[in-house]
Amino acid sequence: GEDVEQSLFLSVREGDSSVINCTYTDSSSTYLYWYKQEPGAGLQLLTYIFSNMDMKQDQRLTVLLNKKDKHLSLRIADTQTGDSAIYFCAETKGSGTYKYIFGTGTRLKVLA
Amino acid sequence: GAVVSQHPSRVICKSGTSVKIECRSLDFQATTMFWYRQFPKKSLMLMATSNEGSKATYEQGVEKDKFLINHASLTLSTLTVTSAHPEDSSFYICSASVLAGFNEQFFGPGTRLTVL
Repeated sequence: GEDVEQSLFLSVREGDSSVINCTYTDSSSTYLYWYKQEPGAGLQLLTYIFSNMDMKQDQRLTVLLNKKDKHLSLRIADTQTGDSAIYFCAETKGSGTYKYIFGTGTRLKVLA
Repeated sequence: GAVVSQHPSRVICKSGTSVKIECRSLDFQATTMFWYRQFPKKSLMLMATSNEGSKATYEQGVEKDKFLINHASLTLSTLTVTSAHPEDSSFYICSASVLAGFNEQFFGPGTRLTVL
């Protein structure tokens, strides 16, 4: 299967940490990504992780990958109002077409 | 970073007309371009994969005669919505990739199509 699921909404207070979760069903995924979409705009790559990694940290962003449970998470430390957006996880198998399968998206709202 | 542009950013047309959307990679040559459709508050749905000089590969359920894709060069792909109807109203996003490294796709800013 190719379903990639995320919770629809997340609301946090400014300065707190945000954790956005993603579950996928295809264990053959090679790369997993996190993208950010601001209103009316395209997608911006935030970070990615290769399937043989468990964790990746990049400044305020920490990605955790649990291959056994097919679970991916994105933690944003010290969340700011500018982080309010929709966050999509995506997977790709590197099967030649390099097709992305996007998650359903999580709308993050940061309260001042 | 790599930049992808789309034109127009917003278009309103009458039912029955055709609309062309351009996707350009501005500072790199894209081996492959992708076209997505995004419904309000929904995820991105891949419509087709386009390789330069060859026919596009359409996803299941996407009408290739309705959504014509032309990838004439390594920096330009076009999507033409033929005989548009109100149900074609949507946000269309393209992306471009060089299919190397970690397979990153670079996304355009999107085109908002409204069919009256």
